[in-house]
Amino acid sequence: DAGITQSPRYKITETGRQVTLMCHQTWSHSYMFWYRQDLGHGLRLIYYSAAADITDKGEVPDGYVVSRSKTENFPLTLESATRSQTSVYFCASTLTLISYNEQFFGPGTRLTVL
Amino acid sequence: AQSVTQPDIHITVSEGASLELRCNYSYGATPYLFWYVQSPGQGLQLLLKYFSGDTLVQGIKGFEAEFKRSQSSFNLRKPSVHWSDAAEYFCAVGGRFVSNDYKLSFGAGTTVTVRA
Repeated sequence: DAGITQSPRYKITETGRQVTLMCHQTWSHSYMFWYRQDLGHGLRLIYYSAAADITDKGEVPDGYVVSRSKTENFPLTLESATRSQTSVYFCASTLTLISYNEQFFGPGTRLTVL
Repeated sequence: AQSVTQPDIHITVSEGASLELRCNYSYGATPYLFWYVQSPGQGLQLLLKYFSGDTLVQGIKGFEAEFKRSQSSFNLRKPSVHWSDAAEYFCAVGGRFVSNDYKLSFGAGTTVTVRA
């Protein structure tokens, strides 16, 4: 099925470990986004990408790294996980931003850092 | 800077009763406004959006929202709530993607509980 998928759906890791969250979309959307969802904060933008090899920081980028070598994939890496990065992470995509189209969201990854 | 406030953290409503969720935004130009719904364990689904034109916007699942520029509000309503409407609802604001104006800013969300 076409759409936007995230893997893994659940992840438990330890402080200091590197973790990569995967995001894959089949629509060939240009723009992709990573958000984290925390109680009381709604969704906050971590990084976004306008196209392959073009990425930029969002509101809360510290401690995260992204890459986008292919249009359909947008992995998010926590280089050295901390407990404050325990959260639910959502990937989203949109076709074009000229007229501010709807963002489509993946199902989320629940990450726990012990 | 753009921001969204959802004053109600949690609302409980009886099945069949009406529902109104409040959203106030701050944005320097004409905003683009969105309401998303998140069912437990799921991603976000768009309910409706406002770009321009008619200030009363119809969405999916029987929801509507009204844009009031003078009050900087975009409240979501549903005349008769169903048990399946129990979820978390997020209001978001953004603008045209020019320069660095790329973000959607989300409110903290309102959790809706539906009682029988």
